[in-house]
Amino acid sequence: DARVTQTPRHKVTEMGQEVTMRCQPILGHNTVFWYRQTMMQGLELLAYFRNRAPLDDSGMPKDRFSAEMPDATLATLKIQPSEPRDSAVYFCASGLTVGTGIYSNQPQHFGDGTRLSIL
Amino acid sequence: QKEVEQNSGPLSVPEGAIASLNCTYSDRGSQSFFWYRQYSGKSPELIMFIYSNGDKEDGRFTAQLNKASQYVSLLIRDSQPSDSATYLCAVTSSNTGNQFYFGTGTSLTVIP
Repeated sequence: DARVTQTPRHKVTEMGQEVTMRCQPILGHNTVFWYRQTMMQGLELLAYFRNRAPLDDSGMPKDRFSAEMPDATLATLKIQPSEPRDSAVYFCASGLTVGTGIYSNQPQHFGDGTRLSIL
Repeated sequence: QKEVEQNSGPLSVPEGAIASLNCTYSDRGSQSFFWYRQYSGKSPELIMFIYSNGDKEDGRFTAQLNKASQYVSLLIRDSQPSDSATYLCAVTSSNTGNQFYFGTGTSLTVIP
């Protein structure tokens, strides 16, 4: 079964440190999404790429967060400097968008997530 | 107004009963609709997707879409304790850049 792979699975670090999370999308998928999930806010979209180009990162705090896709097999989400309020589970998901119309969006598939704790 | 709204629950049903989960959306141009299940501490996993008005059945699960009324529902027949989870509704449209909008989820508990 093809899977989205995220690393690390868990990360505990001190406030002010840089955090980098990585995602390997499912081979052949052309869209990648980064989400943050907390009990209070639910699932929040942080950034969205299609064919490696960023389409929407309006949900991301620009001053400390950055998202990139250096190649089709790797997406990264970086926080620098990290703050305690960044503690959450970060999910990467990938999917396939083809053409337009009602069938253009195929389902997203989620990775196992990175549980981030900032002390 | 949120793009996608779900009753947060919790919804409790006895084992063997039908669980009905509902979702409404605000963008009339929405085209694709997805239901995800998320167990506590796990990632969301796809259960079903539906594109056209009407019902779509897959095993014990039935997705129902009514675009005129802007709602999509998920029925779980013969509910099992293993169905206890949070169910997330997601909606997307090429009109909004193919972005997925998720509801906050409905927590379902199936009581043995």
